[in-house]
Amino acid sequence: QKEVEQNSGPLSVPEGAIASLNCTYSDRGSQSFFWYRQYSGKSPELIMFIYSNGDKEDGRFTAQLNKASQYVSLLIRDSQPSDSATYLCAVLPSGGSYIPTFGRGTSLIVHP
Amino acid sequence: GAVVSQHPSRVICKSGTSVKIECRSLDFQATTMFWYRQFPKQSLMLMATSNEGSKATYEQGVEKDKFLINHASLTLSTLTVTSAHPEDSSFYICSAGIQGRSYEQYFGPGTRLTVT
Repeated sequence: QKEVEQNSGPLSVPEGAIASLNCTYSDRGSQSFFWYRQYSGKSPELIMFIYSNGDKEDGRFTAQLNKASQYVSLLIRDSQPSDSATYLCAVLPSGGSYIPTFGRGTSLIVHP
Repeated sequence: GAVVSQHPSRVICKSGTSVKIECRSLDFQATTMFWYRQFPKQSLMLMATSNEGSKATYEQGVEKDKFLINHASLTLSTLTVTSAHPEDSSFYICSAGIQGRSYEQYFGPGTRLTVT
């Protein structure tokens, strides 16, 4: 059973701070990793994907991947109240499947 | 780019009736579409995967005769909830994979189904 683990939170950070969201996965052969943002009552929105070890930056978002530790994280710099949402980590398993396994998501609250 | 629409956004139906939900990729061809269900404060649950022109692949525990999926073209997939019951009330979300990049999923806005 391929598993993707996330702390459900809520993670509460003040406006302007860095929010750090973490995700671990069990399938060591996984190659593709995705972060989705889901506002309450809405569907998920793809915000980042990362395939290689290291950091990938896109605006205020940075995805970090460490395959040796089976760990992927999402950093949100200068957090805004509009970033308050649930962040879902998704991992594409090894073996050629294109169906990702989703974590349960971490609820982020950015307070003014 | 990569816009997926769903219709209807909300539907209320009586127990025993059937409801059809449409999922369209508007600006790309989707070789694969996925149907998810999400209960309040729960994670996404994959129901089935459909490829254009072939039968859908259902996840374990999902009744294929109750949740009929048709993927008639590269831009349209439909989910029909047959003989709906109150326990089928949920948020149904489709997603589409871009041809050649099926691992990047783009989600539709979802359909909130309430069965009375």
